[in-house]
Amino acid sequence: QQQVKQSPQSLIVQKGGISIINCAYENTAFDYFPWYQQFPGKGPALLIAIRPDVSEKKEGRFTISFNKSAKQFSLHIMDSQPGDSATYFCAARRTGTASKLTFGTGTRLQVTL
Amino acid sequence: DAGVIQSPRHEVTEMGQEVTLRCKPISGHNSLFWYRQTMMRGLELLIYFNNNVPIDDSGMPEDRFSAKMPNASFSTLKIQPSEPRDSAVYFCASSWWKGRSYNEQFFGPGTRLTVL
Repeated sequence: QQQVKQSPQSLIVQKGGISIINCAYENTAFDYFPWYQQFPGKGPALLIAIRPDVSEKKEGRFTISFNKSAKQFSLHIMDSQPGDSATYFCAARRTGTASKLTFGTGTRLQVTL
Repeated sequence: DAGVIQSPRHEVTEMGQEVTLRCKPISGHNSLFWYRQTMMRGLELLIYFNNNVPIDDSGMPEDRFSAKMPNASFSTLKIQPSEPRDSAVYFCASSWWKGRSYNEQFFGPGTRLTVL
């Protein structure tokens, strides 16, 4: 059962463009939504995270938009750079489960010159 | 800090053999997670421990898989007997957890397992 649905599966963006990755969840008990970035041959690393009491969080070129009523959240990468080429995972934590995360299926981003 | 340490980084074995993957979490962390990553199924949580105690092993695929955490600085994931469908990258992650807070999970570099 896929509790966090992520799209698209892959994405190609030109340098300087905006990359947008979307996620949707079903369980209203989720209370924390991180995004992880993974480079080839490496483990995932936390990129940015948001709680459902805010609608947007921005860190540098990375922004999370959160729509609680629609149960959707998205990652926006502004001014995308070749160094952003990686796989991105959204995730969600269910209240009361310590740090247990449910991950989306991942989006492979390629930023071209 | 050296981060989460996993060994071996690569393992190639034959079907039916026992495989043991090892993890050393970040010093001071009290939660440890084992994940499996494949192209077909993505990143799956297998089991996690809080304060060396297994909390949720619902992701362990079957009895061939077992995990232990004998102390705060070491954990193992064992597959016996191994099968070709176990081929994947296995990640260990650790974090600090207390009460209802959430803290970042730090992932190790992974062990790429190939079962022939």
